[in-house]
Amino acid sequence: DAGVTQSPTHLIKTRGQQVTLRCSPKSGHDTVSWYQQALGQGPQFIFQYYEEEERQRGNFPDRFSGHQFPNYSSELNVNALLLGDSALYLCASSSGQITGELFFGEGSRLTVL
Amino acid sequence: GDSVTQMEGPVTLSEEAFLTINCTYTATGYPSLFWYVQYPGEGLQLLLKATKADDKGSNKGFEATYRKETTSFHLEKGSVQVSDSAVYFCALSDLLFSGGYNKLIFGAGTRLAVHP
Repeated sequence: DAGVTQSPTHLIKTRGQQVTLRCSPKSGHDTVSWYQQALGQGPQFIFQYYEEEERQRGNFPDRFSGHQFPNYSSELNVNALLLGDSALYLCASSSGQITGELFFGEGSRLTVL
Repeated sequence: GDSVTQMEGPVTLSEEAFLTINCTYTATGYPSLFWYVQYPGEGLQLLLKATKADDKGSNKGFEATYRKETTSFHLEKGSVQVSDSAVYFCALSDLLFSGGYNKLIFGAGTRLAVHP
């Protein structure tokens, strides 16, 4: 049973560019959440998708947007990249009916130069 | 807003030593509490959880008790191994009205290094 898979694993962008990160949830999961983990910090919640709708959003600007597809996979888009967007972006999946356990992917490490 | 505070690391221990990683929280509701572990090169994994006051979560020899009176959820292990070297994150979450959990709020993490 494949767990949460994310792509790409690493990428380098320059300021002002746009990036798209992808996530496939664990089999049987319908909810996807995205987190940003800066170096040496804990993950910060960006948003959560359920039934193709953004259900909850953290304190991130509109430059951060997302999408969930009918097969429950998800994308995170970041526009107008800033140096401060350099971080590990984590995707987590869960089942809407099971509380408490998020399954995390290994993350996509974004470096903005 | 809700927040989680963990003891700063790194914590360096010899194998078979006793481990305590302190975690305190601030929350307006009645959150559930979690410990996640991040091994080198891997994603976050749930280590244990507790959903109400006085609950004890336990897994792989680790345990933590939900203490509402002291707003704490300290992680303990009686005898650590080299394989326990990792970053440990304390987190809290509130229940969404529609079921499932709200966002997780993480502490900054505590790096544990265990030497033979």
